[in-house]
Amino acid sequence: GIQVEQSPPDLILQEGANSTLRCNFSDSVNNLQWFHQNPWGQLINLFYIPSGTKQNGRLSATTVATERYSLLYISSSQTTDSGVYFCAVERGDDKIIFGKGTRLHILP
Amino acid sequence: ETGVTQTPRHLVMGMTNKKSLKCEQHLGHNAMYWYKQSAKKPLELMFVYSLEERVENNSVPSRFSPECPNSSHLFLHLHTLQPEDSALYLCASSRSREFRNIQYFGAGTRLSVL
Repeated sequence: GIQVEQSPPDLILQEGANSTLRCNFSDSVNNLQWFHQNPWGQLINLFYIPSGTKQNGRLSATTVATERYSLLYISSSQTTDSGVYFCAVERGDDKIIFGKGTRLHILP
Repeated sequence: ETGVTQTPRHLVMGMTNKKSLKCEQHLGHNAMYWYKQSAKKPLELMFVYSLEERVENNSVPSRFSPECPNSSHLFLHLHTLQPEDSALYLCASSRSREFRNIQYFGAGTRLSVL
């Protein structure tokens, strides 16, 4: 099956820093999403981005489908950005495959 | 608040017990999902319901039995679980199956099987 790899697995940054999270996938996909799970377990959608670039405030994402990767950019990090960021891909068979996530810890 | 409520938030059960997890959404959505998040594996989609009909079952053992009596409620019935079933179980909903890219998640039920 398709493999989804996220890097780095863990990241510790000072408040105000910028970061780039990466998601590599092993085969072509129809959909790609980024999620954030806060330290209390609440999961929210960030981006639905099968290709191209999107921005939402301090967050932006870029997917290069032909090269099978996606990047999530977080600028001017805040402590509320802490948590785990997941990438998930979907193929035509409607199976959603999640990566293991990047755990981000923003220090005040 | 996401509009998706899961109860209980925490559950401890023995391997011979029978329990149920409940999910309720007040968003008028037609699709609902069960996910499992364990410490050792990536997040896994377990079941998908669309208009109260199960449309996806991702090789989940029969000791997990979902039920969707109406479009607002989703249950996960548990029986004779194993310790490796201990995990965070997340429920989500979306406007429809076609809008699965915009899902609203509950806070989860953290299950411990002793």
